[in-house]
Amino acid sequence: SQQGEEDPQALSIQEGENATMNCSYKTSINNLQWYRQNSGRGLVHLILIRSNEREKHSGRLRVTLDTSKKSSSLLITASRAADTASYFCATSSGGSNYKLTFGKGTLLTVNP
Amino acid sequence: GAGVSQSPSNKVTEKGKDVELRCDPISGHTALYWYRQSLGQGLEFLIYFQGNSAPDKSGLPSDRFSAERTGGSVSTLTIQRTQQEDSAVYLCASSARQGKAEKLFFGSGTQLSVL
Repeated sequence: SQQGEEDPQALSIQEGENATMNCSYKTSINNLQWYRQNSGRGLVHLILIRSNEREKHSGRLRVTLDTSKKSSSLLITASRAADTASYFCATSSGGSNYKLTFGKGTLLTVNP
Repeated sequence: GAGVSQSPSNKVTEKGKDVELRCDPISGHTALYWYRQSLGQGLEFLIYFQGNSAPDKSGLPSDRFSAERTGGSVSTLTIQRTQQEDSAVYLCASSARQGKAEKLFFGSGTQLSVL
């Protein structure tokens, strides 16, 4: 079953602009992760935020988590053409701490 | 290589044939996952292996699907009597974290096309 739902489904911006993607989920989580996928193949882990954290940074990435609203956002600052990819949020929850449930992703296009 | 390796990268088969997909995880990673991704969709969990523990097969869509992991390393996903709806990208991932889904490393996947 789908746990995370990303919004928007697609986003097109110009190089240098910021990109914000959102993820909503339904049940309590242990952690929430963001992954990037280029060309519909392997995924690359970007960042993990735990349920007791509210914000995390990694380079040009900023992730926030609001457990009261069951939502997270991924901000990519000063975007580059190379950031063009699909971005997925994934959650682990409950007793199945080893199982990640993925959303359908946001397709980000950064135009040069 | 240092990453998760999957083979073949592409597989075209006829409906009703059996296929085997292979995954070679990162050395030392005890956790291994198989996911399936249909066109434009998110990832669907199939199966999870952790060390010598019994695998979690709860995501396998039918009894035509099976997987094994030999010697705690290489894994094979087998689909018997393939159907057109089995067409998808099959992704393997491994992790060094025991019992926790944190920072999965993915292979490039096998694109399966059933004609």
